[in-house]
Amino acid sequence: DAGVIQSPRHEVTEMGQEVTLRCKPISGHNSLFWYRQTMMRGLELLIYFNNNVPIDDSGMPEDRFSAKMPNASFSTLKIQPSEPRDSAVYFCASRILANEQFFGPGTRLTVL
Amino acid sequence: KQEVTQIPAALSVPEGENLVLNCSFTDSAIYNLQWFRQDPGKGLTSLLLIQSSQREQTSGRLNASLDKSSGRSTLYIAASQPGDSATYLCAVRSNQAGTALIFGKGTTLSVSS
Repeated sequence: DAGVIQSPRHEVTEMGQEVTLRCKPISGHNSLFWYRQTMMRGLELLIYFNNNVPIDDSGMPEDRFSAKMPNASFSTLKIQPSEPRDSAVYFCASRILANEQFFGPGTRLTVL
Repeated sequence: KQEVTQIPAALSVPEGENLVLNCSFTDSAIYNLQWFRQDPGKGLTSLLLIQSSQREQTSGRLNASLDKSSGRSTLYIAASQPGDSATYLCAVRSNQAGTALIFGKGTTLSVSS
């Protein structure tokens, strides 16, 4: 199994640009999570999906952030427009039922 | 709202020492608890998962315990090695269907040779 796959691994962009982060969960997993990690705030849950349906998006910072899961094998997190304070490492994770949650390698985003 | 606290934030020990990392959570109604390891600049690696009905889980030199009533978990590392140096994160899943893991800020461990 390839594990959770995220792309790109690094993204450098300028303020105001649109950023799209991508995630492919582990095959067969029915829950997908997006987290953001910063030194100041640690790991914060942004949004999660069960069976492709968004369950809790209360962690999404503001309307500039949006996430979709069009099918069981793909999800995107979009930031439009991006701001310097969005700079962080964004992790995608997946799990099935009550089992272990597995994380992807993360996308390091830098907004200049 | 569930809050997870890990103390200490950082810990330095000499190689060979046994050590305990602490995790506390405010809402004892949890579904399970998971310990992770994170190396600098890397993703999170799952170490142990403890279901709410369990008291402990073991994997090699690692042993994690869970006391739901007191809202605490500990991760015991036996005979520490320099390769154990990393940040250790504790995360809990609340006792509701389909909920997400809530993380503590982690304990950064440094094992010197």
